[in-house]
Amino acid sequence: KQEVTQIPAALSVPEGENLVLNCSFTDSAIYNLQWFRQDPGKGLTSLLLIQSSQREQTSGRLNASLDKSSGRSTLYIAASQPGDSATYLCAVPLSGYGQNFVFGPGTRLSVLP
Amino acid sequence: SQTIHQWPATLVQPVGSPLSLECTVEGTSNPNLYWYRQAAGRGLQLLFYSVGIGQISSEVPQNLSASRPQDRQFILSSKKLLLSDSGFYLCAWSLRRGAEAFFGQGTRLTVV
Repeated sequence: KQEVTQIPAALSVPEGENLVLNCSFTDSAIYNLQWFRQDPGKGLTSLLLIQSSQREQTSGRLNASLDKSSGRSTLYIAASQPGDSATYLCAVPLSGYGQNFVFGPGTRLSVLP
Repeated sequence: SQTIHQWPATLVQPVGSPLSLECTVEGTSNPNLYWYRQAAGRGLQLLFYSVGIGQISSEVPQNLSASRPQDRQFILSSKKLLLSDSGFYLCAWSLRRGAEAFFGQGTRLTVV
């Protein structure tokens, strides 16, 4: 059974810091891994999708890495800004014939001005 | 480009009343469609998914039902709401199983 965990649960940093969010999954047989951002009371915004054959993906100040063998992914945010404050979720598609995405519990990030 | 619309944004309904939440996707054909619920302090739970018109699969037993009357329309319904149906409901789509998923803005349902 796929389980996804995220560390830390919450993070508060001053503006300008570089930071790393961690995601771990128990079943390495994944198609891909997706990082989302969720603002309070809002839906999920897709940030990055890493295919199982890739090791990293970059979008602006965001960089996500994937190490399937160790069951880990990291989301690196460079030069953090107050607008980055949100909850960050990672998700992997359920293996086999299921349609579900298994989500981590999220990391709540606060970037202080 | 593809967009997903979900409405209403917020809803307060009395116990025992019916429910209808609608989700539509634009800019793509034959998407996989999903309904998730996010309860306070809990993660996202898949409620229903659909791979085509009239094809609905339920992931968990519940008081809710889903329908897909058109290719890009997904509806979440209930005949009689329970207090436990309160939560944040999210619609999502993807091109196929395991592909990148895109979410709507969600509906905050409060059953009173």
